[in-house]
Amino acid sequence: QSVLTQSPSMSGAPGQRVTISCTGDSSNIGAGHDVQWYQQLPGKAPKLLIHGNTNRPSGVPDRFSGSKSGTSASLAITGLQAEDEADYYCQSYDSSLSGSRVFGGGTKLIVL
Amino acid sequence: EVQLWESGGGLVQPGGSLRLSCAASGFTFSGYAMSWVRQVPGKGLEWVSIISGSGETYYADSVKGRFTISRDNSRKTLYLQMNSLRAEDTALYYCARDQIFYYYMDVWGKGTTVTVSS
Repeated sequence: QSVLTQSPSMSGAPGQRVTISCTGDSSNIGAGHDVQWYQQLPGKAPKLLIHGNTNRPSGVPDRFSGSKSGTSASLAITGLQAEDEADYYCQSYDSSLSGSRVFGGGTKLIVL
Repeated sequence: EVQLWESGGGLVQPGGSLRLSCAASGFTFSGYAMSWVRQVPGKGLEWVSIISGSGETYYADSVKGRFTISRDNSRKTLYLQMNSLRAEDTALYYCARDQIFYYYMDVWGKGTTVTVSS
């Protein structure tokens, strides 16, 4: 199983706000390491959505926002759109694993 | 435009070897660390290995001793030599540009598929 824990799936209606959670422990998120979020559209490669807990790369809509507290992090999506239907992965660094970037198991977001 | 293009995937028997390549363009390749990340079909992402711009390497425990990451900065190409392959190594392998001091990957290729089966 994945080092970081995410709910396998969630859904929301167009226009709604959804929050995807990611839980780690004292070796990764709780150790102060930043959290990233990636969006993977069906059949596509992952795309960086949020880095450094809250930072959006150029071109990512401000409907996407990230936060972090303690051993957990969250990705919020407001004004949900059909094109947001994708898999979302959180990622951090784990101090107990040499060189290791660690991922969550992914959350499949379904837009109703 | 920053681009990464993987190649070298294919079907290989258990115990066999394969070398993946990742050609980079649109950025100063030697100035960046590079990672390999894999994804079993229908499953999540798994980080495999990283190489810094100067050649320092790290591996996930699942591949340590079997896989070797390397790079040719003159050719702007990243490699992953995979030996003693197992069925569980079957996956789509992505190369990604790694922001090594911030522990994340900001540019990804489209991936190349490795299938280990007899």
